[in-house]
Amino acid sequence: TQLLEQSPQFLSIQEGENLTVYCNSSSVFSSLQWYRQEPGEGPVLLVTVVTGGEVKKLKRLTFQFGDARKDSSLHITAAQPGDTGLYLCAGARRRAAGNKLTFGGGTRVLVKP
Amino acid sequence: GAVVSQHPSRVICKSGTSVKIECRSLDFQATTMFWYRQFPKQSLMLMATSNEGSKATYEQGVEKDKFLINHASLTLSTLTVTSAHPEDSSFYICSARVPRRFGDTQYFGPGTRLTVL
Repeated sequence: TQLLEQSPQFLSIQEGENLTVYCNSSSVFSSLQWYRQEPGEGPVLLVTVVTGGEVKKLKRLTFQFGDARKDSSLHITAAQPGDTGLYLCAGARRRAAGNKLTFGGGTRVLVKP
Repeated sequence: GAVVSQHPSRVICKSGTSVKIECRSLDFQATTMFWYRQFPKQSLMLMATSNEGSKATYEQGVEKDKFLINHASLTLSTLTVTSAHPEDSSFYICSARVPRRFGDTQYFGPGTRLTVL
């Protein structure tokens, strides 16, 4: 059972379009991270959100943490080919043994020029 | 952000041999590191938690005698794949935990591509 459900699994859009990736769970997380991974490389941290209702913006990327800290979204405005990659959300639960992260299944984004 | 390195980036070995992968935190000390395995087009699968100075904690289904983990210092964890077989071929990624007052964060290494012939 996937504790963090990511949707969609795959997204193909044209350059300039907007996209949103969702990360949902029935569990409460103390914090949630978003990563982007390119083929053959390790995931790169984009953002950490910790407060329910929090919104963080990084240039064209907007991250939101749900009020109940069970869900999150990533919105990209005017996507560019450089945004292509695998986007992963990962949640941490404060009392989880070993401070492990629970990863979503990933969303593969393809931005066509 | 914190920098984590992995070595080697790629390794090809014969079936039955052992392979050691190193994970280093370059600009910070990491009491906890994690080892993941990733299959093509899939998300990361946690294999084990590596704790400095103590035994690693393995996830269910991961053979501890197959995947030996040593975390002898605050900046280095190693994963040794013993008696490797073709089914062990995969992308192995480590991460290091950076405790924060609000929300722990993990920083990932660049990964190691293991191919077992």
